[in-house]
Amino acid sequence: TQLLEQSPQFLSIQEGENLTVYCNSSSVFSSLQWYRQEPGEGPVLLVTVVTGGEVKKLKRLTFQFGDARKDSSLHITAAQPGDTGLYLCAGTGTYKYIFGTGTRLKVLA
Amino acid sequence: EAGVTQSPTHLIKTRGQQATLRCSPISGHTSVYWYQQALGLGLQFLLWYDEGEERNRGNFPPRFSGRQFPNYSSELNVNALELEDSALYLCASSRGTGATQETQYFGPGTRLLVL
Repeated sequence: TQLLEQSPQFLSIQEGENLTVYCNSSSVFSSLQWYRQEPGEGPVLLVTVVTGGEVKKLKRLTFQFGDARKDSSLHITAAQPGDTGLYLCAGTGTYKYIFGTGTRLKVLA
Repeated sequence: EAGVTQSPTHLIKTRGQQATLRCSPISGHTSVYWYQQALGLGLQFLLWYDEGEERNRGNFPPRFSGRQFPNYSSELNVNALELEDSALYLCASSRGTGATQETQYFGPGTRLLVL
């Protein structure tokens, strides 16, 4: 069974701090997506990474896909209260779309 | 381009009743996915439809069923509702099978409350 483990599960930090969220699996994925979800709403796609070792930046967010395409990280620089939410990674394989367990981030003003 | 739409936004039912949830995918997308998200928990995969066929099913009882129409919209039916069916039901769409990358785009969800 393919699993995507995210860590940490919960994170509460002060505005301006940096943080990294991890998404790990023992399986290889053809691509990996990161989503952010706010309470009562659907997940919103942040990025898709496809190539092993790929790094993508979205303003203060930096996403990296592991060389072996089994893991990924999301780094947020100078976190803001607007970054608060549930961060989900999802791996794509043949006829499969596996969601991670999620990291709930709270950024305090 | 319009995103994934879902209706209704909220649904209140009593135990034993049936619920029908609807989803319209992004134009050009042929795959529709349904997920259940209980309060504070992650996404649990329910069903995947593509080109009108059920392609995969999650670990849910048969009273969770659905279908996909020729215009690629989809319906999720939950029969004999139980209290623990209360959750946010999310629909997502993607371009369809055959692609090596199938990024899913989500709708806003339907909040189902079973009393």
